[in-house]
Amino acid sequence: GESVGLHLPTLSVQEGDNSIINCAYSNSASDYFIWYKQESGKGPQFIIDIRSNMDKRQGQRVTVLLNKTVKHLSLQIAATQPGDSAVYFCAEMAKTSYDKVIFGPGTSLSVIP
Amino acid sequence: SQTIHQWPATLVQPVGSPLSLECTVEGTSNPNLYWYRQAAGRGLQLLFYSVGIGQISSEVPQNLSASRPQDRQFILSSKKLLLSDSGFYLCAWSVPRRGRYGYTFGSGTRLTVV
Repeated sequence: GESVGLHLPTLSVQEGDNSIINCAYSNSASDYFIWYKQESGKGPQFIIDIRSNMDKRQGQRVTVLLNKTVKHLSLQIAATQPGDSAVYFCAEMAKTSYDKVIFGPGTSLSVIP
Repeated sequence: SQTIHQWPATLVQPVGSPLSLECTVEGTSNPNLYWYRQAAGRGLQLLFYSVGIGQISSEVPQNLSASRPQDRQFILSSKKLLLSDSGFYLCAWSVPRRGRYGYTFGSGTRLTVV
């Protein structure tokens, strides 16, 4: 989409603080969402997912919040560590097209020691 | 368990030379396969995807082509590379119409065209 040509937005967080990464999704029909983490020079890796029948899901140090009313997704990372420095992508899928994932533009998280 | 292999990890090629990047998946049958490109500091751009042998869908017009000669093999090619083809190329697979969705990505190939 259009976002692939834009520089990634960046977020700088002090080590130990909580991080919040936001994502606005585009398709009202999307009913499944994933957050990916991409470390430098590597492929994106699955972090956590959430279905549209939920508004919150928690993992280890991560929480995903879904607000379908405003089509907004967020990833919260508790007690951010240097190893959390990476680019984070949200992804959305609709029941009619689970074979094609729509990725958000990504956010670069930088953790300050 | 399912794994995805992508090679080479890095590649430096002169302008006008051909390209062949290979991706193979193990541990699953009839996966959907994808090629993405990522420019430095940018997002993920879908180039091609395939839902079966010989079935290729192109998302953007470009200097590249893709082929799927076998069920678990996906190849990205170019006859003549351009400087603008430089980037980080990612292969991914997904299991269609089943349980958990989304992609599993390979480790990527860093292509520099000089």
